[in-house]
Amino acid sequence: EVQLVESGGGLVQPGGSLRLSCVASGFTFSSYEMNWVRQAPGKGLEWVSYISNSGVTKYYADSVKGRFTISRDNAKNSLYLQMNSLRAEDTAVYFCARGGYFDRRFGYWGQGALVTVSS
Amino acid sequence: DIQMTQSPSSLSATVGDRVTIICQASQDISNYLNWYQQKPGKAPELLMYDASNLKTGVPSRFSGSGSGTDFTFTISSLQPEDIATYYCQQYDNLPTFGGGTRVEIK
Repeated sequence: EVQLVESGGGLVQPGGSLRLSCVASGFTFSSYEMNWVRQAPGKGLEWVSYISNSGVTKYYADSVKGRFTISRDNAKNSLYLQMNSLRAEDTAVYFCARGGYFDRRFGYWGQGALVTVSS
Repeated sequence: DIQMTQSPSSLSATVGDRVTIICQASQDISNYLNWYQQKPGKAPELLMYDASNLKTGVPSRFSGSGSGTDFTFTISSLQPEDIATYYCQQYDNLPTFGGGTRVEIK
């Protein structure tokens, strides 16, 4: 069974940093592209970042470019999102999602991690 | 970026009704269009991919059609467990989502 479990969310002050993790199981992690998608309270879904299965290719939404960094450790079956210079508008539930340009869909999602940016 | 316009933003229907949601892309995305269902407090779940393919295990009352810029998602007979918000999403280029359609029971 495919499982994605996020962790690392919490309350952080504006301008602060936070690192999210997503641990994968039930599939060969190193074979799959991965993404982060977020959802602000009461709002819709917003794609945040993409990483290829090798970790070489990365893409970011304009709203986070230069502040967020996606990475992965295939030996640990783990995906990460380093979030710096956080703003109030980054407050959201962050989901990791499997999928990319090979299958053109987000087939599996984690349960989400809440990030709250507030003083 | 490709913009996805989804309508209506919400709808109220009776159990057994046929429900239709429209999604329009700002440019041709071929059939790289997916539909997700999200129930309150839960992660989204993929229902349909490549515009008209039902994910394994999803009830056949759900269907999708379209290509290019215009797409349709249909629930042929609305059930109480279908209460959720539905999102379209394109994956032709960097992925983007429609604004969502909240489906409620009348």
